[in-house]
Amino acid sequence: DQQVKQNSPSLSVQEGRISILNCDYTNSMFDYFLWYKKYPAEGPTFLISISSIKDKNEDGRFTVFLNKSAKHLSLHIVPSQPGDSAVYFCAASRSGYALNFGKGTSLLVTP
Amino acid sequence: EAQVTQNPRYLITVTGKKLTVTCSQNMNHEYMSWYRQDPGLGLRQIYYSMNVEVTDKGDVPEGYKVSRKEKRNFPLILESPSPNQTSLYFCASGRLFTGELFFGEGSRLTVL
Repeated sequence: DQQVKQNSPSLSVQEGRISILNCDYTNSMFDYFLWYKKYPAEGPTFLISISSIKDKNEDGRFTVFLNKSAKHLSLHIVPSQPGDSAVYFCAASRSGYALNFGKGTSLLVTP
Repeated sequence: EAQVTQNPRYLITVTGKKLTVTCSQNMNHEYMSWYRQDPGLGLRQIYYSMNVEVTDKGDVPEGYKVSRKEKRNFPLILESPSPNQTSLYFCASGRLFTGELFFGEGSRLTVL
């Protein structure tokens, strides 16, 4: 059973606007959450993470928000750029290993 | 340069012919893992290893074997490949308990 769910397979956003990618999880034991970005023909690369003791983490244009009561996290990209077009995977873990990945959301940023 | 190297990158084989996909990392990471990516299913973990001689099953281990005799290497073995193992495979490594993994470029395997 999928413990990490990304319910939007794709998202299209105009350049300069905000991209919001969503992720839900079912296992309340997860304590560490990450986002990975994947370009075609490449392996995923780590983007940003958040511990369950926080509700927000920011890194430049990327911010991850965690709502533990709702078992929901989101990735905000502001402003979106064409180079952000990629597949984004949400992942969750207990104690930082055996990551559970979502199915991914394909983001397209149009000029 | 810090990297995870997988070989081969592309392989077409036939049912039942044993094959090994090698994975090597140069970052002295304790943790290594194998994933497969299939359309509509995302990344699913096959096996992982938290240190030398320590391996454990992930979500989809059936039909696969691994070994961790050296810290840097974590080969994936398909003893008798079947068509349902046609997939894109990724090896990853990372420091323990961080969750931040470095991925290889992937190995696309086709089993006829």
